[in-house]
Amino acid sequence: DAKTTQPNSMESNEEEPVHLPCNHSTISGTDYIHWYRQLPSQGPEYVIHGLTSNVNNRMASLAIAEDRKSSTLILHRATLRDAAVYYCILRLTNNDMRFGAGTRLTVKP
Amino acid sequence: GAVVSQHPSRVICKSGTSVKIECRSLDFQATTMFWYRQFPKQSLMLMATSNEGSKATYEQGVEKDKFLINHASLTLSTLTVTSAHPEDSSFYICSGRGWRPDTQYFGPGTRLTVL
Repeated sequence: DAKTTQPNSMESNEEEPVHLPCNHSTISGTDYIHWYRQLPSQGPEYVIHGLTSNVNNRMASLAIAEDRKSSTLILHRATLRDAAVYYCILRLTNNDMRFGAGTRLTVKP
Repeated sequence: GAVVSQHPSRVICKSGTSVKIECRSLDFQATTMFWYRQFPKQSLMLMATSNEGSKATYEQGVEKDKFLINHASLTLSTLTVTSAHPEDSSFYICSGRGWRPDTQYFGPGTRLTVL
């Protein structure tokens, strides 16, 4: 299974941009890169996903390296409500979605 | 995004009893549903995958006779924890995927405490 590697934790100041990195050096050509986040005692929330090109939506931007071996989730202006565990997940060709340890983002006021 | 609900949100039961957790896709038809388990301070672990009208496929190490999954319709899947024990206490989360396979939508989770 293709795996992802993320830092255990990151800190950010409120209203500043946050760049959350993810390495996935064994990604296959048909794997989509998904990002979810989980607030305490809640189910994961979809953030964004992409295949090869950079993607933007109202929540975040996803920058994908040209070789697809890494990606970065960008929160343009962090708020206190963005404090969560962020998971970078590769969707395998059989459509399973398996979670790694994720990055715990702390946002300081 | 699409909405998935779970019921109950929280349940406490005695050891040896069975508990049923419902997962519903409210505004889409979930052809495939997934059940995950999450212990404190750990990540989500996939337990099983079920397709509507078919038997569930369980991950290695997950007892199919203990965790009964039924996916009888395109909007409802149930997980029954049979003869629950304290070590089954966990946060159970379901997820649904519709015709468009690009993503999954997760329920809010059910916290099970077995005394």
